[in-house]
Amino acid sequence: LAKTTQPISMDSYEGQEVNITCSHNNIATNDYITWYQQFPSQGPRFIIQGYKTKVTNEVASLFIPADRKSSTLSLPRVSLSDTAVYYCLVDPGSGNTGKLIFGQGTTLQVKP
Amino acid sequence: DVKVTQSSRYLVKRTGEKVFLECVQDMDHENMFWYRQDPGLGLRLIYFSYDVKMKEKGDIPEGYSVSREKKERFSLILESASTNQTSMYLCASSKLGGDPSYNEQFFGPGTRLTVL
Repeated sequence: LAKTTQPISMDSYEGQEVNITCSHNNIATNDYITWYQQFPSQGPRFIIQGYKTKVTNEVASLFIPADRKSSTLSLPRVSLSDTAVYYCLVDPGSGNTGKLIFGQGTTLQVKP
Repeated sequence: DVKVTQSSRYLVKRTGEKVFLECVQDMDHENMFWYRQDPGLGLRLIYFSYDVKMKEKGDIPEGYSVSREKKERFSLILESASTNQTSMYLCASSKLGGDPSYNEQFFGPGTRLTVL
């Protein structure tokens, strides 16, 4: 499973756009990029997944350049409730046993 | 609403005790997982199971065992609890399939275990 690298922590203010970049230099052709969000005292929850270019849902956008060696999670106009840990994962998809590797994640602190 | 439940939110045990952590999912998922989460180390996989009575070691299986007698239930067992097993334990489940969207893991709320 490809390893990912992301910043340990980030600070932001309410109303700002936050971009968290993840590098995954050894990503394989069939791998997908997946992001999870974990609030304090809760388990992580899936927020977005993509293969290439751009994916957008009601929570976030995910930008993946052509070489797919990195990806950027974008949170528009964050609020205090977006304070959480964000995990970037590489998902092998087809043929995978379901095993995923969660690293340390990025702790996002949103300030008023 | 899909659900993964864990038997306890908080648990305090003594060194040497046998500890059972139970996890139940109601989504008919084939895969189930046990993680532990510690500050600065993220989530680390202890064991996972892709079918009843099947199990595979994760990254840190030492000191733990698991049991899966029914599809919906996955138990983590600490045969003889030690203080270094004080941690947050998270259970998760997912479907088994080739499509990456099937690999979404649904987590329970976690059990904070303290071993004295």
